[in-house]
Amino acid sequence: KAGVTQTPRYLIKTRGQQVTLSCSPISGHRSVSWYQQTPGQGLQFLFEYFSETQRNKGNFPGRFSGRQFSNSRSEMNVSTLELGDSALYLCASSLGERHTQYFGPGTRLTVL
Amino acid sequence: TQLLEQSPQFLSIQEGENLTVYCNSSSVFSSLQWYRQEPGEGPVLLVTVVTGGEVKKLKRLTFQFGDARKDSSLHITAAQPGDTGLYLCAGADTGGFKTIFGAGTRLFVKA
Repeated sequence: KAGVTQTPRYLIKTRGQQVTLSCSPISGHRSVSWYQQTPGQGLQFLFEYFSETQRNKGNFPGRFSGRQFSNSRSEMNVSTLELGDSALYLCASSLGERHTQYFGPGTRLTVL
Repeated sequence: TQLLEQSPQFLSIQEGENLTVYCNSSSVFSSLQWYRQEPGEGPVLLVTVVTGGEVKKLKRLTFQFGDARKDSSLHITAAQPGDTGLYLCAGADTGGFKTIFGAGTRLFVKA
């Protein structure tokens, strides 16, 4: 079974731009969660989608948004990028609640 | 707010030594996972423990879930340089809707 895939793997943007990251979950997984990982803050939960509905949201500003499609693929969007948004963005999929999450390789976003 | 505290935060040891990493909380979790992450990559699942008191072995790695399902430990026997990485514990809350991550233990094994 193919694992979680994320595209692109690396991205360089400038302040004020916007960015869209994509995540394809493991086949059959309906839950997709997004995390931001930085050296100083560790893994911070952004949001979780299940069957196209956002079920949980972390404490991030409204510039961070996401969506999930009917095939469970998910996208995350960050608008008006700031330098502090530079991070590794991780996507994880699972069968649903109480099930183990499996992570993708991440997208390394650098904001200049 | 549920929290998972990992200790130690950093560990630098010689090849062949044994070590234990701890993951503690005041909350009960329905399950707990351990992941290992290498720089620039996503965390890779090592194990999931579900039952209080459960012990799982994965080659030189031994994982234990506390009887009350509030804490866990990871013990590595005869560490090797390939064990170097960031070890993360994660707990699924009893409601099942959220996964809480510890801050991680960064392990460096010197040859």
